[in-house]
Amino acid sequence: GDSVTQMEGPVTLSEEAFLTINCTYTATGYPSLFWYVQYPGEGLQLLLKATKADDKGSNKGFEATYRKETTSFHLEKGSVQVSDSAVYFCALSDQTGANNLFFGTGTRLTVIP
Amino acid sequence: GAGVSQSPSNKVTEKGKDVELRCDPISGHTALYWYRQRLGQGLEFLIYFQGNSAPDKSGLPSDRFSAERTGESVSTLTIQRTQQEDSAVYLCASSRVGSYEQYFGPGTRLTVT
Repeated sequence: GDSVTQMEGPVTLSEEAFLTINCTYTATGYPSLFWYVQYPGEGLQLLLKATKADDKGSNKGFEATYRKETTSFHLEKGSVQVSDSAVYFCALSDQTGANNLFFGTGTRLTVIP
Repeated sequence: GAGVSQSPSNKVTEKGKDVELRCDPISGHTALYWYRQRLGQGLEFLIYFQGNSAPDKSGLPSDRFSAERTGESVSTLTIQRTQQEDSAVYLCASSRVGSYEQYFGPGTRLTVT
């Protein structure tokens, strides 16, 4: 079945460091891919998405490219800020029409000044 | 406009009791989802409602779990005879028909003692 494997955390970085959180997926067909973010004390929010191969999703300085050949959707940011501290979830939508999301286990990022 | 709301925000119950969790989706969103997030784990799909169609219950872990939704409004997730392994954060999300983007509520943290 469809699944997402996400880099385990926690990840601790200094401010302005480069961030990569790895995500790979297994799916039949052509899923859409997402990164959701959960800031402390808040609900999940969509961070970015890509709906077809080679698409790049971007938002708030974060980017992820849908790589069909490597079945990956790694999240990157060139210079993290303290305010980026959160839990990041990779997810895919199974395209069956129900749009159920399959989530990875989440990666907790802590950025220290 | 208002986002997805859930109540209660926290619920502590004794093993064996029944609980009801409520979700108010965003107005106009025809799709509604319930997920479970156990500590340290990713989100686990439970059930999906789309308009007046029969719900997709494929993610419900046992027959102790059930959910209802009246039309395109409020949904209630009921857990009967709660067990300690039911302790988790229960998240509700809604989306517009045909959209991949799900909007999440803040969740209900359920603790079964």
